[in-house]
Amino acid sequence: NAGVTQTPKFQVLKTGQSMTLQCAQDMNHEYMSWYRQDPGMGLRLIHYSVGAGITDQGEVPNGYNVSRSTTEDFPLRLLSAAPSQTSVYFCATKDSFNYGYTFGSGTRLTVV
Amino acid sequence: GESVGLHLPTLSVQEGDNSIINCAYSNSASDYFIWYKQESGKGPQFIIDIRSNMDKRQGQRVTVLLNKTVKHLSLQIAATQPGDSAVYFCAERAGNTPLVFGKGTRLSVIA
Repeated sequence: NAGVTQTPKFQVLKTGQSMTLQCAQDMNHEYMSWYRQDPGMGLRLIHYSVGAGITDQGEVPNGYNVSRSTTEDFPLRLLSAAPSQTSVYFCATKDSFNYGYTFGSGTRLTVV
Repeated sequence: GESVGLHLPTLSVQEGDNSIINCAYSNSASDYFIWYKQESGKGPQFIIDIRSNMDKRQGQRVTVLLNKTVKHLSLQIAATQPGDSAVYFCAERAGNTPLVFGKGTRLSVIA
C-alpha cells in the first residue's frame, strides 16, 4: 500500500514549457486535490475532484488543467509554465468516511 | 473573505516544556478543524482533528481546544521533543467544502 505517490519529486522548466505532475493513489479514495505551497502563503487549493469524471476549481486554478478519468489518478497539467508557478505542489486525497486528507510527498517545481 | 490564520509565525520552546500553537478562524460556518504537521521536505501529516460540537479532544501528547465563541483553535503538545520540530498548520472546512489551510507556525525545540 503506497498511499499517495507524486512524480516527479523535482522539476525545472523553462518559461513556456508544458508538463504534467502525476498523482496516483491506491486507497480507493474518491476525493483528490492539488495544492500549491509558497513561503508565507500556506497551502492553496488549485483544483479538486470528488470522483472520476468530476473536477472543480479551487482558489488558484489559473494556468492549470486537471482531469480525472480514473479513481486512482489525478494529473495536474501546466500548459505554458510561468515563473509565478514556481512552488511545491502537493496532492491530497480523502475517503468518504473521514474528513482528514492524506498528502503525497510533493513535487518541487522551478520555472526559469 | 473567510480565512484561517495563525497568531504566531514562529515558536521556540525548551525540550520537555509544553507547546501551544494558536489559530484564529473567521468562517462561522466552519464545523470541522484539523491540525497538520509538516517536516522539512515532506508532505503534511495528520495530527488531530475536532468537530464543532466538541470543545476539546486529546490524542497522544497532543490536545486540540476549540473556542467557537471567539473562533479560536489551539494545539497543545505536552513534553515537547526534538522530533516535534516542524511547521504546524491548522485547517478548517464548512460542510462538504475543501479544507482551507492557515499559513503555518514553525515550532523549534531547543535541546
